[in-house]
Amino acid sequence: GENVEQHPSTLSVQEGDSAVIKCTYSDSASNYFPWYKQELGKGPQLIIDIRSNVGEKKDQRIAVTLNKTAKHFSLHITETQPEDSAVYFCAPDTGRRALTFGSGTRLQVQP
Amino acid sequence: GAGVSQSPSNKVTEKGKDVELRCDPISGHTALYWYRQRLGQGLEFLIYFQGNSAPDKSGLPSDRFSAERTGESVSTLTIQRTQQEDSAVYLCASSPQAQSEQFFGPGTRLTVL
Repeated sequence: GENVEQHPSTLSVQEGDSAVIKCTYSDSASNYFPWYKQELGKGPQLIIDIRSNVGEKKDQRIAVTLNKTAKHFSLHITETQPEDSAVYFCAPDTGRRALTFGSGTRLQVQP
Repeated sequence: GAGVSQSPSNKVTEKGKDVELRCDPISGHTALYWYRQRLGQGLEFLIYFQGNSAPDKSGLPSDRFSAERTGESVSTLTIQRTQQEDSAVYLCASSPQAQSEQFFGPGTRLTVL
């Protein structure tokens, strides 16, 4: 099955700084790359996704970059705000039924 | 519109009892997923339903776990003879199709004493 690794496991930044979380996967058949944000006590929510025919996608302060050759994709958050504090998960998808989520990155934005 | 709902929100049971968890997906979503999330951990895939196809049960940890879905609507996850290690939050998600955004419910927190 897919082996998914996320780094770092925890990340603390000052408000206004940038944050980068990297997701490495093993299955070269992966062709859909979403990032989910989970706030305390809630279910995960999609914040951005990318498909394998593009290398980068941006939505306001959030961006995702994809390197299919190296089999990794990254989440970039600029001008971080306290409400960005949450756990972030990647979930590379091959189109097969079973999904493997990364182990999560806990982001703490210090005001 | 209404999102994914799950019930109960919390369930406390005694070891050895059976429990049934319910998920109401977003109307029209053909795909439905169940996940388990232990405290401070990531999401562990359990089972996936897609339309009328046979469900993918490859993530179910033991034969004590089973799930059903009625057409493209409600799903129930049943855990028989619960064990303490079953304590976790059980999350349900639905999506309009494969490889698209999954919409998660708030989860059911199961505690087995």
